[in-house]
Amino acid sequence: SHVLTQPPSVSVAPGQTATITCGGDRLAFTSVHWYQQKPGQAPVLVVYDDRKRPSGIPDRISGSRSGNTATLTIIWVEVGDEADFYCQVWDNTNDHRLFGGGTKLTVL
Amino acid sequence: EAQLVESGGGQVKPGGSLRLSCVTSGINFRIHYMNWVRQAPGKGLEWVASISLSGRFIFYADSVKGRFTISRDNAKNSLFLQMNSLRVDDTALYYCAADEGTETPVEMRYWGQGTRVTVSS
Repeated sequence: SHVLTQPPSVSVAPGQTATITCGGDRLAFTSVHWYQQKPGQAPVLVVYDDRKRPSGIPDRISGSRSGNTATLTIIWVEVGDEADFYCQVWDNTNDHRLFGGGTKLTVL
Repeated sequence: EAQLVESGGGQVKPGGSLRLSCVTSGINFRIHYMNWVRQAPGKGLEWVASISLSGRFIFYADSVKGRFTISRDNAKNSLFLQMNSLRVDDTALYYCAADEGTETPVEMRYWGQGTRVTVSS
């Protein structure tokens, strides 16, 4: 089965830029979605279809994709951005949803 | 405002069964692909199952196929997960999630707060 690979952790200082990657050999053929999960809370969709933002998500958060790698970028990082971030795709080779392992964003 | 409220979780012995429910409001339930996603303690998100608008198309993660059954009642705006032959590694917080309304699986835009399932002897 296919795998989505994320770095386990990313640490940045407040005001800096956080970059979280998601790699997988099927990414070139499907849309990538990103979820933010703060401690004790349900996940929240922050980016869908590689780069679109739902209403209410600040434009400090953006997504992109190049080939088999998707990237979530958060500029001007704030302490309140600390969370786990997950990428997700629909794998149409086996009709499964697939999540990355998650990346813990720490704001130093 | 979309609300998804899960219920039915609890503690059960290995081999036992549970039936989870998710009642929705604030969304046009019948136009949303619906899903169950779980999260074991301290672990990441794991997709469990998805069901199409009419229930015609159903998909399961390999880890639950043959043991879990997803279903929906569009008249009652409700989603269900029948879980049989439960194992210790099914212990998790189970979330109900709704796709944006389309005919095919897309992003999961609306989430409940989850119901906890503990499988332990």
